[in-house]
Amino acid sequence: EVQLVESGGGLVQPGGSLRLSCAASGFIFSNYAMIWVRQAPGKGLECVSGISDSGSSTDYADFVEGRFTISRDNSKNKLYLQLNSLRAEDTAVYYCAKSSGGGVNHYFDYWGQGSVVTVSS
Amino acid sequence: DIVMTQSPDYLAVSLGERATINCKSSQSVFYSPNNKNYLAWYQHKAGQPPTLLIYWASTRESGVPDRFSGSGSGTDFTLSISSLQAEDVAVYYCQQYFTTPTFGQGTRLEIK
Repeated sequence: EVQLVESGGGLVQPGGSLRLSCAASGFIFSNYAMIWVRQAPGKGLECVSGISDSGSSTDYADFVEGRFTISRDNSKNKLYLQLNSLRAEDTAVYYCAKSSGGGVNHYFDYWGQGSVVTVSS
Repeated sequence: DIVMTQSPDYLAVSLGERATINCKSSQSVFYSPNNKNYLAWYQHKAGQPPTLLIYWASTRESGVPDRFSGSGSGTDFTLSISSLQAEDVAVYYCQQYFTTPTFGQGTRLEIK
């Protein structure tokens, strides 16, 4: 059974940092790209960042503006998202999702339960 | 980026009736070498993560009830629920993966 479990969310002040983690199990992690998708309160889903199966290729939404870094450790079956210079508008539920292929340009067949990030003073 | 636009934003349908949600992409998501449309549909219930319903525009994910169906090609797509059940109340999103993935704004489906 595929499982994706996020952790690391919480309350942070504007300008602060957080590191989200996603622990994967039930599939060969190193064979699939992984994605972070977020949903702000009252808003829809938006892709934040994606990383290829090997980690050699990454992609970011325009709104990231160099503030976030996606990475993965295939030896530990873990995905990460480092969030820096956080803004109030980054407040959202952050989901990790498994791509159906080795690259990020695929549909997402499994999703984690989400990690809540709240940016507020 | 490809912009995905869904219609309507909100839909209320009676139990047992048909629900239809439309999705339009700003450019074609059809790839002729493999004859596939790079379009997926997701269901997002309150308090739960999204779940995949349909991929390649019309292929139902394993375990998804057959009352859900997807159709369309190129830039215009439709998700249909043939006989609405109470458990289908959710927000539905289309997503293209022809290029960097993008979602539609979502359609909220409720019971009339």
